[in-house]
Amino acid sequence: QQQVKQSPQSLIVQKGGISIINCAYENTAFDYFPWYQQFPGKGPALLIAIRPDVSEKKEGRFTISFNKSAKQFSLHIMDSQPGDSATYFCAASPSGNTDKLIFGTGTRLQVFP
Amino acid sequence: DAGITQSPRHKVTETGTPVTLRCHQTENHRYMYWYRQDPGHGLRLIHYSYGVKDTDKGEVSDGYSVSRSKTEDFLLTLESATSSQTSVYFCAISLQGHEQFFGPGTRLTVL
Repeated sequence: QQQVKQSPQSLIVQKGGISIINCAYENTAFDYFPWYQQFPGKGPALLIAIRPDVSEKKEGRFTISFNKSAKQFSLHIMDSQPGDSATYFCAASPSGNTDKLIFGTGTRLQVFP
Repeated sequence: DAGITQSPRHKVTETGTPVTLRCHQTENHRYMYWYRQDPGHGLRLIHYSYGVKDTDKGEVSDGYSVSRSKTEDFLLTLESATSSQTSVYFCAISLQGHEQFFGPGTRLTVL
């Protein structure tokens, strides 16, 4: 019953490069789209989030792009650093059900020097 | 980890035994959640609570029960543990919904 599809499953990027992770949602209306970052042995931590009334949100090197008509949203990490190596999860909150999040399956990012 | 503790952090148990995991928060947040994390599945919601004694089922609630008798504590119980419940369990809290903050996790192994 996965409603948020995330790709790729794993990603290898060279230091200084751009990391791009994509998510797509199906049919159900969502109104809040966060991204979480998780380091090994730790809990996920909220990284950045967007609502569907904007097409892009930037915080430092991290940018969310949102395409409402295509039901897709993506995370871009500019100037990727070895310290960005982690697992990233996208999520979506159903409209009218603000207390729940549906998560993607995660992307393991490795940034090599 | 935003004033959230989970106990125990690691547990090994045998099939058929009962197990209780505890989540404790110091943030006075209304919502509390239990997720399990498995490779290839991401984070899946087991149960959640929107107030003291108010709980509801999530996506993968079979075999699990919860209780919340105080704002700060949310307990997850496996009545009779099975090997399929071997997983990493995360508790999360939220003040008003949407933004959720996660605890450090409990690694449970059922032999």
